[in-house]
Amino acid sequence: QQQVKQSPQSLIVQKGGISIINCAYENTAFDYFPWYQQFPGKGPALLIAIRPDVSEKKEGRFTISFNKSAKQFSLHIMDSQPGDSATYFCAASKFGAGANNLFFGTGTRLTVIP
Amino acid sequence: EPEVTQTPSHQVTQMGQEVILRCVPISNHLYFYWYRQILGQKVEFLVSFYNNEISEKSEIFDDQFSVERPDGSNFTLKIRSTKLEDSAMYFCASRRSFMNTEAFFGQGTRLTVV
Repeated sequence: QQQVKQSPQSLIVQKGGISIINCAYENTAFDYFPWYQQFPGKGPALLIAIRPDVSEKKEGRFTISFNKSAKQFSLHIMDSQPGDSATYFCAASKFGAGANNLFFGTGTRLTVIP
Repeated sequence: EPEVTQTPSHQVTQMGQEVILRCVPISNHLYFYWYRQILGQKVEFLVSFYNNEISEKSEIFDDQFSVERPDGSNFTLKIRSTKLEDSAMYFCASRRSFMNTEAFFGQGTRLTVV
């Protein structure tokens, strides 16, 4: 059972453009939605996260938009830079359920062209 | 900045052999996890560990796998009788407390079973 679906699988964006990655989840009990950034040879690192009590969260050039009724959330990277080139994973978990293990999407490989 | 460290970075083993992957979580963290990522695929939850016992485990974490926190600092994943399909990147992660949502990941151990 694929609890979190992510698209697109890969994305190429010009420098300065907007990168948009979408995720959808199935389990309505999920209440914590992080985005992780992974560079080659490194572990995933938390980029930004949102709880379902807000519809949007912005940190610098990174914004999460959250639609609870549609069970969807997306990552927007404004003014994309070559240094943003990485694989991005959305994830979801049940924060209040003890261990809070994460269910990851399949990842999006972002390439920002100079 | 404190970080999760994993050793070795790469382990090659013969099919049928036992391997132990080691992790040193961030020192004041209470929740510990193992995830794995088969090449090109999503990150998958294996097991979570809290208060010296397994909190949750996925269907992947069968009798072949075990975890241990032998000395209060190390957190190990043992894979008995490795199979070719166990080849993957294994990530250790830790989380500070029940109220802290962020999980910090190590850089991973690439396991290659030949």
